[in-house]
Amino acid sequence: GESVGLHLPTLSVQEGDNSIINCAYSNSASDYFIWYKQESGKGPQFIIDIRSNMDKRQGQRVTVLLNKTVKHLSLQIAATQPGDSAVYFCAEYTSGTYKYIFGTGTRLKVLA
Amino acid sequence: NAGVTQTPKFRVLKTGQSMTLLCAQDMNHEYMYWYRQDPGMGLRLIHYSVGEGTTAKGEVPDGYNVSRLKKQNFLLGLESAAPSQTSVYFCASSSLANVLTFGAGSRLTVL
Repeated sequence: GESVGLHLPTLSVQEGDNSIINCAYSNSASDYFIWYKQESGKGPQFIIDIRSNMDKRQGQRVTVLLNKTVKHLSLQIAATQPGDSAVYFCAEYTSGTYKYIFGTGTRLKVLA
Repeated sequence: NAGVTQTPKFRVLKTGQSMTLLCAQDMNHEYMYWYRQDPGMGLRLIHYSVGEGTTAKGEVPDGYNVSRLKKQNFLLGLESAAPSQTSVYFCASSSLANVLTFGAGSRLTVL
């Protein structure tokens, strides 16, 4: 079936460094992608999204890159801060299915 | 600006008991979803609704029922709770092909 997966379950980075979290998706028909951040005991929070007609989108300190050729999505966080420590999920959406499919998540640990 | 509100936040059940989780959204979203999240795992879709009066099965629907009698509410029912249904349940809503907004979660323990 459809699935969204992540390459690294845990990522540790030094405070101030840049972080890159990767995600592979399997459905080539997916046309909308979202990154979420989930802190302990809370619901997922929206970070940034991208539609399939784009390759890159930037927000405040975050950038999402989409490579449709290899079905790969990445989230880049610039100047990682302790408050960025959380689990990050990518989700894919395919028009017509109405369903958002999530990966298992990557835990980001920021080292002081 | 409430967004998505889930009640209750915590609940403990005995095996075989039934219960209902309530989700309410004030964003006039057409689409609503129930997910479960187990430790170390991602979010798995239980049921969803594309509009008032409609529901559909997700990836893991067995043991759950849902109803969407009003556009702003989406109820998740457990008919006969089992320990395997111990989980954190998240409700979410969206407009078509847009950002999914989540509630804070409901932690359910089945003894």
